[in-house]
Amino acid sequence: DGGITQSPKYLFRKEGQNVTLSCEQNLNHDAMYWYRQDPGQGLRLIYYSQIVNDFQKGDIAEGYSVSREKKESFPLTVTSAQKNPTAFYLCASSIGATPGHFGDGTRLSIL
Amino acid sequence: GQQVMQIPQYQHVQEGEDFTTYCNSSTTLSNIQWYKQRPGGHPVFLIQLVKSGEVKKQKRLTFQFGEAKKNSSLHITATQTTDVGTYFCAPTTSGTYKYIFGTGTRLKVLA
Repeated sequence: DGGITQSPKYLFRKEGQNVTLSCEQNLNHDAMYWYRQDPGQGLRLIYYSQIVNDFQKGDIAEGYSVSREKKESFPLTVTSAQKNPTAFYLCASSIGATPGHFGDGTRLSIL
Repeated sequence: GQQVMQIPQYQHVQEGEDFTTYCNSSTTLSNIQWYKQRPGGHPVFLIQLVKSGEVKKQKRLTFQFGEAKKNSSLHITATQTTDVGTYFCAPTTSGTYKYIFGTGTRLKVLA
């Protein structure tokens, strides 16, 4: 059963700590995306990757970092430089430039 | 850069009433996609529109792409409580994988 798996579902971060959100897909999709969603708001693009070993900044990349060492995996690190990290984080993938599949998301909160 | 506005931001309707959300872009689009996000869930892909003036139907949902390929609409006939959620448009511009979502329209259906 193909899909996108995001983990963990809930994550808590202490002040000054980096945390990494996992996103794995077994759909054989080339492109992967990370979005941030604040309560009652839309989706804002953090980073996207068209192919392995390549990724581009989205509209709100500051305070975040990513890697794309494998086609299946696109982890997102929320660094301590991101001063307001509390949000719902969504990972998506696509064959072309149209994300058709989303993971269930990770809810990140600050302790 | 590309901007996509959706109107209205919120809509409350009585069950059985119709609902329409509009998506307007400042630039000409290649394609446009529509998604639905239930409260607490992740966006689910509904449909893709490609051709100028295209109209597609999915049961009670009618999707339309403008002649100039700068706007689109989603119309729901005789809303049901299961239609509750936020509807997002997401346009595709040729030559980029930078996939931006519209601001979304949150629909509430009162029984």
